[in-house]
Amino acid sequence: EDQVTQSPEALRLQEGESSSLNCSYTVSGLRGLFWYRQDPGKGPEFLFTLYSAGEEKEKERLKATLTKKESFLHITAPKPEDSATYLCAVEKGGSEKLVFGKGTKLTVNP
Amino acid sequence: EPEVTQTPSHQVTQMGQEVILRCVPISNHLYFYWYRQILGQKVEFLVSFYNNEISEKSEIFDDQFSVERPDGSNFTLKIRSTKLEDSAMYFCASSAGQPQHFGDGTRLSIL
Repeated sequence: EDQVTQSPEALRLQEGESSSLNCSYTVSGLRGLFWYRQDPGKGPEFLFTLYSAGEEKEKERLKATLTKKESFLHITAPKPEDSATYLCAVEKGGSEKLVFGKGTKLTVNP
Repeated sequence: EPEVTQTPSHQVTQMGQEVILRCVPISNHLYFYWYRQILGQKVEFLVSFYNNEISEKSEIFDDQFSVERPDGSNFTLKIRSTKLEDSAMYFCASSAGQPQHFGDGTRLSIL
């Protein structure tokens, strides 16, 4: 069965304190791994797609990386506005559905 | 930037009643999806829809659920006879392939 596990469940950082979020997955025939940001009461907002091991994507203070078993979302010098729940999801070949992890709730204190 | 819009934002319904959740996908997208998120749990796939038919559905999407694209802009999810366990956030998504873009959801509360 396809599984996505995110850790930690919650993370508190001080503004400027860099860290990483983890997403480990077991899926046969990965077609893509996706990172989303979800603010309270809102829908998931697309951040990145990663397709193959070794691939990296960057956007402002965020950088996503992918290996054959896991993905990391690195947050460099975070700001309070980066506070949100970050969701990881995978899509396998032959399927259109996204399988989501439970997310990591990030809080950045000023 | 184009976005997926969902109405209503909150729907309160008596158990056993029918409910229709509405979505306007991004205009040039051809793939449409419904997901749900029970409070404190993962976002779960319900159904995907392409070329006016269901292309994939989960075990959750039983005979009580149906989807429809009644015109060129709307995409709807109908629950025929709601149960207490149907209480959740329901998200619509659309794509031109990848990635999927989500609306802000409808909170469905079953009394």
